[in-house]
Amino acid sequence: DTGVSQDPRHKITKRGQNVTFRCDPISEHNRLYWYRQTLGQGPEFLTYFQNEAQLEKSRLLSDRFSAERPKGSFSTLEIQRTEQGDSAMYLCASSPKGGEQFFGPGTRLTVL
Amino acid sequence: SQKIEQNSEALNIQEGKTATLTCNYTNYSPAYLQWYRQDPGRGPVFLLLIRENEKEKRKERLKVTFDTTLKQSLFHITASQPADSATYLCALDVGRLNTDKLIFGTGTRLQVFP
Repeated sequence: DTGVSQDPRHKITKRGQNVTFRCDPISEHNRLYWYRQTLGQGPEFLTYFQNEAQLEKSRLLSDRFSAERPKGSFSTLEIQRTEQGDSAMYLCASSPKGGEQFFGPGTRLTVL
Repeated sequence: SQKIEQNSEALNIQEGKTATLTCNYTNYSPAYLQWYRQDPGRGPVFLLLIRENEKEKRKERLKVTFDTTLKQSLFHITASQPADSATYLCALDVGRLNTDKLIFGTGTRLQVFP
């Protein structure tokens, strides 16, 4: 399967713990996006990379959230000191250029 | 304030009929608008993109219209099938410097009954 993959698919953690998610985009896609989606809502933009450069970050993203794409291929999203309000589906998408975005299956985070 | 509104109520229709979903937005000037399908527990899947200078786009049983004066897009599925049952999301491109930052609506859940 050459689609976008995300790992893990599910994560349960206790409040205050740190979590890290991984996204592997479609190879040769230089654009990578992270979104967060809660129940009954559409995906909410978090951040965007072009190759290894993080070009945009949502103002909604607190400083507990950090994302990297060190070699312009896979990306990681880390949440420090998780809170119950962080419980959501975290979606990654990639794109070769403007337009259509290809989404992964998401990582569902539950913070107890 | 900036808003994207989709029918909040689920849309229930009979197989074979045409489903029409609405996306209205305020205080945005998007370069283009996209429609995605999302099944429960899965990521969105791209369906169609329409640019600001296009009035209509078709793909098989799907049709999208885009009226930048009314700030509205309509998404039609003709000859609907139970397999079309899903949540449909509209998304606006509001990115600077062509970042393709998408702002999504809340989605409309479509249920097609046999």
